[in-house]
Amino acid sequence: GNSVTQMEGPVTLSEEAFLTINCTYTATGYPSLFWYVQYPGEGLQLLLKATKADDKGSNKGFEATYRKETTSFHLEKGSVQVSDSAVYFCALRGSQGNLIFGKGTKLSVKP
Amino acid sequence: GAVVSQHPSRVICKSGTSVKIECRSLDFQATTMFWYRQFPKQSLMLMATSNEGSKATYEQGVEKDKFLINHASLTLSTLTVTSAHPEDSSFYICSARKGSGEQFFGPGTRLTVL
Repeated sequence: GNSVTQMEGPVTLSEEAFLTINCTYTATGYPSLFWYVQYPGEGLQLLLKATKADDKGSNKGFEATYRKETTSFHLEKGSVQVSDSAVYFCALRGSQGNLIFGKGTKLSVKP
Repeated sequence: GAVVSQHPSRVICKSGTSVKIECRSLDFQATTMFWYRQFPKQSLMLMATSNEGSKATYEQGVEKDKFLINHASLTLSTLTVTSAHPEDSSFYICSARKGSGEQFFGPGTRLTVL
């Protein structure tokens, strides 16, 4: 079945450091891929998405490229800020329209 | 973006009682809403898909008689945990899907069963 695997956290970085959160998936076909972010005390928010192979999603300085060869959708940001501290979830869209999530990666950015 | 609310945000109840959680799409109509459950340090697991005016579709392993879902209108879905037990303690999250297919999530409800 479909599944998403993402790197376990927590990840602790200093401000302005480079961020990579790995995400790989197992799926039939080429589902749409997503990164969601959950800030403390808030609901999940869509950060970025990619709907087909080689697409690059980007938002707020974050990027992720849909790589079908490696079945990956790694999240990157060149220079993180304290305000980026949150839990990040990689997800794919299932056949029923639901989302299948990874376990989440907690990011803490220190000033 | 669209707004989805959940009520209550936190509830503590005694074992054997029932708890109702509401999920509302505040500024759009949602023919489909999803209910997820999140355990500590675990992923969100889909419990059921709720379609307005019809019966919910439950994922394998989710007891439909225990987790009652009602989607009575295009802006409201409710999840009732019946005869709650301590193992039902969890974080319950709903999402509502717009016509475009994008899902918007509620802030979640923390249920603690004593």
